[in-house]
Formats: sequence, structure tokens, C-alpha cells
Amino acid sequence: GAVVSQHPSRVICKSGTSVKIECRSLDFQATTMFWYRQFPKQSLMLMATSNEGSKATYEQGVEKDKFLINHASLTLSTLTVTSAHPEDSSFYICSASPSQWGNYGYTFGSGTRLTVV
Amino acid sequence: LAKTTQPISMDSYEGQEVNITCSHNNIATNDYITWYQQFPSQGPRFIIQGYKTKVTNEVASLFIPADRKSSTLSLPRVSLSDTAVYYCLVGDLPGSARQLTFGSGTQLTVLP
Repeated sequence: GAVVSQHPSRVICKSGTSVKIECRSLDFQATTMFWYRQFPKQSLMLMATSNEGSKATYEQGVEKDKFLINHASLTLSTLTVTSAHPEDSSFYICSASPSQWGNYGYTFGSGTRLTVV
Repeated sequence: LAKTTQPISMDSYEGQEVNITCSHNNIATNDYITWYQQFPSQGPRFIIQGYKTKVTNEVASLFIPADRKSSTLSLPRVSLSDTAVYYCLVGDLPGSARQLTFGSGTQLTVLP
């Protein structure tokens, strides 16, 4: 089945540094990928829509200069958390769909646990 | 954008059938209903998707009444490993970001 690979699964960084998270579609091409953030005991919050070859679309309240998204190929989208602070500590998840018109739902990555110290 | 309402939590026992109902009164004509399962520290996993009536796959059934204002996810004979959060989403088929608005989900706890 369709697989979305996300790396790293866990990362600890110092406050003020930047962290890059990768999201890859392993066996399908994804012109669109999505990035979510999930705080403990809460639901997933859509942060942005990543579009291959064009600028990402950010949800209201999400700082585009802080959460840089690059979707340079049909199988890879990256999320860079710049100048990370402790309040950015969260569980980040990406997703993509193996079919734009099929009813297969979306496939999610395994998530990245970011801890900023 | 159709909003969904689910019970916050449910408890069940091993071997029982569990039915989780989702309310989506403002569902649009083009909207599909999709259910996902999420374990702690993992990404959500697709369970089932439907448009109307009944859909069944190897893990669950989805019942959708004629007015489509609600849907019920049915898990037959649950086991301890079915303890997870279940999300109901309503929206267009994949290709539209609007499908991906998660509600609060239902925490299902399966007891021995």
C-alpha cells in the first residue's frame, strides 16, 4: 500500500536552532502534501499545504517565516522549524494522498516528536 | 466546511462490537465521510471511507443514513489493540485540503 515516510522520528534541539523534518512518499507521487501539528491530548491541527513547485499555503495563525516548507519534488516535502523555541515542541505529522480522485483516504507519516530545550 | 461532533470517549470490553457515531449536520453534497485511527505517537491510519448507505472492509463497517447527517463506525469484536483515538472527517475526495480538518476524535478504551 501507499507509504509516507517521515524522518526523523524524534529530535531534540536547543532553543534558537533550526530543525528540518522530511516527508517522503515512497511508492507514489504527491503533488500535494500536508503538515500537521499535534499537542499532547489534542487533535491534529493543519499547519500548511505543501505544493510541488510552488509556495506552500499556510493556515491562519501559522507563521510562514518560522515554519519553512519546501516541496521540491513529487516525492519529498520538508518542514524546517527555524529558531525553535520550547513552545514549538510538539508532534509534527505529514500526509499525502496516493490518488487525487480515488477514495483511498490520505496516508500519514509516522510523525516527528520535536523537543526544544 | 462541515463540522463533526463525536463522543469524547468510549469504553468497551474485549470481544464486543463497538459503534462510534459522528454527527455532521452540514455535510455537503460532494462530501465523503472518512474515519481514521490514531495510536499514541503515531500518525493517523485510514480505516474506512464512504458516501452513503453501508461500506464494509476487513476491519470495520461504516453506516450512513439516507440524510447523511451522521455516520457510525462499527468495529466488530474489539481487542485491546483497538484502544486508540478515532477521528471522523468529512470533505471532498483526496485532492482537496478541506477534507483534512480533524475534530476532537473519540478515545476508545478496550478493557480486558
